[in-house]
Amino acid sequence: KNQVEQSPQSLIILEGKNCTLQCNYTVSPFSNLRWYKQDTGRGPVSLTIMTFSENTKSNGRYTATLDADTKQSSLHITASQLSDSASYICVVTDVQKLVFGTGTRLLVSP
Amino acid sequence: NAGVTQTPKFRVLKTGQSMTLLCAQDMNHEYMYWYRQDPGMGLRLIHYSVGEGTTAKGEVPDGYNVSRLKKQNFLLGLESAAPSQTSVYFCASRQAYEQYFGPGTRLTVT
Repeated sequence: KNQVEQSPQSLIILEGKNCTLQCNYTVSPFSNLRWYKQDTGRGPVSLTIMTFSENTKSNGRYTATLDADTKQSSLHITASQLSDSASYICVVTDVQKLVFGTGTRLLVSP
Repeated sequence: NAGVTQTPKFRVLKTGQSMTLLCAQDMNHEYMYWYRQDPGMGLRLIHYSVGEGTTAKGEVPDGYNVSRLKKQNFLLGLESAAPSQTSVYFCASRQAYEQYFGPGTRLTVT
C-alpha cells in the first residue's frame, strides 16, 4: 500500500534554532516528492519539489533532501523564526496521484 | 491574481441538508481537485477534473458530486449531508508539477 509517514508528529523549538523533519515513503512508482507548509486555517503552500534525480533542494532557510534508494526525505529549517510555526506536509506522487503524509506540527517558541 | 478561492469559508449543516461548495481559479489551469482534510489523516482526494466538462472519482467520492461547467470553476455538492462529512475541504488547481490550494472550507454537519 502506498504510504507516507512523517516524524515527529509535533515539535517545539526555540526561535533561532535549527530543526529537521523526516519523511519515509513506500509509494511506487515514484514521480516526485514535495514538501508543503500549511499555516493554521490556510491551505498548503509548496516549499520544494524534487524528482528522482535530485537529492537536495533549497528554498531560502528550507532545505529538502531526498534519498530515493532508502525512500527517505528530510526537511531542514535553519535559524527558525516565529513565522515557521505551521504544519509541514510531505507528499509523494506516483505519476498521477498524490499521497499525503499526516504532517509534522512545528511550534517555534520565542 | 486571486489564485484559488473557495466559498464559503465556514458552514454548519444539519444531517440530510444539501449544499454546494464553490472553487474558482483565475490561473487558467486545466486540472482541478477537491480534497478533504481530517485530524490525524493526510489530505484525501474526493474528485478531480482534467478539463472543462470532465470529472473523475478520487479516493473517497461517496456522498459527493462535482461539476466543471466552466474551466475556472469546480463545484462540490453534498446531496444529503452526514456527520461523517464534517471536515475541512480544500480545492486545488494544477500547473505542471505544482498544485495551488485554496484557503479551505470548514464544514460541520450536526
